[in-house]
Amino acid sequence: QVQLQESGPGLVRPSQTLSLTCTVSGVSVNSGGSYWSWVRQYPGKGLEWIGYIYNSDDTYYNPSLKSRFTISRDTSKNQFSLRLNSVTAADAALYYCATSLQMATFFDYWGQGALVTVSS
Amino acid sequence: DVQMTQSPSALSASVGDRVTITCRASQSINNWLAWYQQRPGRAPRLLIYEASRLQSAVPSRFSASGSGTEFTLTISSLQPDDFATYYCQQYDNYPTFGQGTKVEIK
Repeated sequence: QVQLQESGPGLVRPSQTLSLTCTVSGVSVNSGGSYWSWVRQYPGKGLEWIGYIYNSDDTYYNPSLKSRFTISRDTSKNQFSLRLNSVTAADAALYYCATSLQMATFFDYWGQGALVTVSS
Repeated sequence: DVQMTQSPSALSASVGDRVTITCRASQSINNWLAWYQQRPGRAPRLLIYEASRLQSAVPSRFSASGSGTEFTLTISSLQPDDFATYYCQQYDNYPTFGQGTKVEIK
């Protein structure tokens, strides 16, 4: 059974760096052809794809977002992570990790979400 | 980027009703379209992928169709569990989502 679970601080100060980790069980993050994504959702609003990591640590990010995001992978822990530099209040959202095992960029598995608040 | 526009933004319906939601893409997306259901406080759940393929374990009352730029999701007989928000998502280019359609109880 594939499961994803986000973890990380719920509160980040403005201008600091947000770090979130997604721990995966039931499948290896090293699985060929799988895309490991981060998606965020503002309260009461729609969904925004941030980026993914795939293949041998190749990454691709939403070009509509400023390049403050970094996605990385730790195969020894079966995790992948998101870092967001220079956080502002506009980054406060629910952050999901998600993936598809069907070698495509829709999402059939999601974490439960990690709520991030930005405040000094 | 590919803009996805859903209509309506919200609708009210009763149990047993047939419900249809439309999603339009700003350019052709070659059937690379998924539909999700999101209940309050929950992560989205994949219902449909490749425009019309039903995800495993999704009830058959859900169906979808379309190609190119216009797509529809249909719930043939609305059930209490179906009151939720529905999103379309294209994956022909980098993933983008529609703004959502909230299905409320009439």
